[in-house]
Amino acid sequence: AQTVTQSQPEMSVQEAETVTLSCTYDTSESDYYLFWYKQPPSRQMILVIRQEAYKQQNATENRFSVNFQKAAKSFSLKISDSQLGDAAMYFCAYRGNTGNQFYFGTGTSLTVIP
Amino acid sequence: ETGVTQTPRHLVMGMTNKKSLKCEQHLGHNAMYWYKQSAKKPLELMFVYNFKEQTENNSVPSRFSPECPNSSHLFLHLHTLQPEDSALYLCASSQASGSLAKNIQYFGAGTRLSVL
Repeated sequence: AQTVTQSQPEMSVQEAETVTLSCTYDTSESDYYLFWYKQPPSRQMILVIRQEAYKQQNATENRFSVNFQKAAKSFSLKISDSQLGDAAMYFCAYRGNTGNQFYFGTGTSLTVIP
Repeated sequence: ETGVTQTPRHLVMGMTNKKSLKCEQHLGHNAMYWYKQSAKKPLELMFVYNFKEQTENNSVPSRFSPECPNSSHLFLHLHTLQPEDSALYLCASSQASGSLAKNIQYFGAGTRLSVL
């Protein structure tokens, strides 16, 4: 089975600064999808950004961008100009090209310091 | 509001009780999922339904029984649970087909379950 590893249980960032959350994964597939989800205290998981493995260009959504390194099987999330509302648990997730299995990491708790 | 509603938000039950968790999606999706979220562990996929048919059962104990009467509703029936079953149970939905759409899951806010 595929595994997703988030090696940073907790991170903190000063408001308006930039922070990078790490994610690595293990797979033998060549075509797959990667995601970052945010889970605030309200518990509702919200999709932040997604990346198709066949695309070389890194995905970007406003202040959120990824650094996708396919050969290294690395998928980090960069949050620029951090805001207090960015404080949450962040989960990295993987989905293969077939089936319905999504694999999640253990999450990184992000604190934003005013 | 992401269009996926879970009830109840919190549930406390004894080991001999029978209870049910409910999930409803208003997004027109036809795939629905149950996940278990425990502290410091990855989300565990429990069950998947595509067009009301169960397509995944990840070795979940029989004390958890899913039901999907239609594409908009998903239930998780609970019976004789153990204290280690205490967790946040999340429901999600997605399209079942379409290369990009099927890869985006929308989640409910979960049911926080405590088994005494």
